[in-house]
Amino acid sequence: GAGVSQSPSNKVTEKGKDVELRCDPISGHTALYWYRQSLGQGLEFLIYFQGNSAPDKSGLPSDRFSAERTGGSVSTLTIQRTQQEDSAVYLCASSSKQGPQREQYFGPGTRLTVT
Amino acid sequence: KQEVTQIPAALSVPEGENLVLNCSFTDSAIYNLQWFRQDPGKGLTSLLLIQSSQREQTSGRLNASLDKSSGRSTLYIAASQPGDSATYLCAAKAMDSSYKLIFGSGTRLLVRP
Repeated sequence: GAGVSQSPSNKVTEKGKDVELRCDPISGHTALYWYRQSLGQGLEFLIYFQGNSAPDKSGLPSDRFSAERTGGSVSTLTIQRTQQEDSAVYLCASSSKQGPQREQYFGPGTRLTVT
Repeated sequence: KQEVTQIPAALSVPEGENLVLNCSFTDSAIYNLQWFRQDPGKGLTSLLLIQSSQREQTSGRLNASLDKSSGRSTLYIAASQPGDSATYLCAAKAMDSSYKLIFGSGTRLLVRP
């Protein structure tokens, strides 16, 4: 079946512009995660959504970052006033339901370059 | 705070060799540990998932072990092939309400023909 999809696959933007990154999780998956992979920092957690519960935003690096999940499915990660240090690959993952035994399935990522 | 470390950072071996990749974590309170493969410019492909109650998992030429008490996991690759060349990441699932993954920095593997 269809896996996690993300769009765009690549995004180049000028410093100071806002960007939106999209994630379509696997159908029926209630948990959704955003991670960021940047050079020298490895892969780090950003935000977690589970159903209609309040999201865990503890990994967001600054208030320029926000995310929403509409209708419990598609999620959008928004970065306002982008900075060069925001350049990274942004990965989305979903899992079938909340629970420690559930595996997370990852999308191909969006490569963001801020010039 | 959970920290995950992978050694070595890079590894180059001739085709056919058996090899071991190491992963260590500082907090044994984890739900499970997962090994991923990442090819250049691509996303993550899950290889093996070991629940905290398990000692090992096997898939084809891959075998992953978990020792929670010592905070270690290993990924064993038998009879390596050039197609195994990739970055291998391990991730521990945090024992909190988000179940987020804490990743190591990866081992970059090159299998030479």
